[in-house]
Amino acid sequence: RKEVEQDPGPFNVPEGATVAFNCTYSNSASQSFFWYRQDCRKEPKLLMSVYSSGNEDGRFTAQLNRASQYISLLIRDSKLSDSATYLCVVYQGGKLIFGQGTELSVKP
Amino acid sequence: GAVVSQHPSWVICKSGTSVKIECRSLDFQATTMFWYRQFPKQSLMLMATSNEGSKATYEQGVEKDKFLINHASLTLSTLTVTSAHPEDSSFYICSARDYGTDYGYTFGSGTRLTVV
Repeated sequence: RKEVEQDPGPFNVPEGATVAFNCTYSNSASQSFFWYRQDCRKEPKLLMSVYSSGNEDGRFTAQLNRASQYISLLIRDSKLSDSATYLCVVYQGGKLIFGQGTELSVKP
Repeated sequence: GAVVSQHPSWVICKSGTSVKIECRSLDFQATTMFWYRQFPKQSLMLMATSNEGSKATYEQGVEKDKFLINHASLTLSTLTVTSAHPEDSSFYICSARDYGTDYGYTFGSGTRLTVV
């Protein structure tokens, strides 16, 4: 079983749609959780950290369920510029562990 | 914010040659640098963790004699792919942690290596 698993995608959605990404992690001792965004042929960039209480940043909402070892990212009112690969990332044992990423394509 | 400069951005080399990739932390001291590799449509896989002034720690399955890591100063870490082969063609990315921010991992811009 992979340490961090995500929906494989790709997700193809129209502008304005709401899209949700799911992620599960296998190690209950994982300490911190993040969503990163990676554009084609570029380095990943931090989108947001994920907290147990849930957190929101504009159109983006992240949720963490430690009991289920589940992380989610919700994007509302999606824009063309949201097209990218979204990486679920877990911090454990001093390292960042990346999921395989979910590709999102937002169409006009 | 913290910046990690990675060079070169892309490189094409012949089989059997060696390639050196550099990562520099520009405005902070990076006692630890992480090296990742990413194949197309796959996630970033941690190759090794380099620590300033000591030997790097390699992940399982990564050949330390093939991927030489040097972290001689607090601002510079290098990865040398020795005797490169076509299967080493990949996207290599470094990352350093800026302890001045909350789990602030900063990534270099990556190096696309093509071995022909």
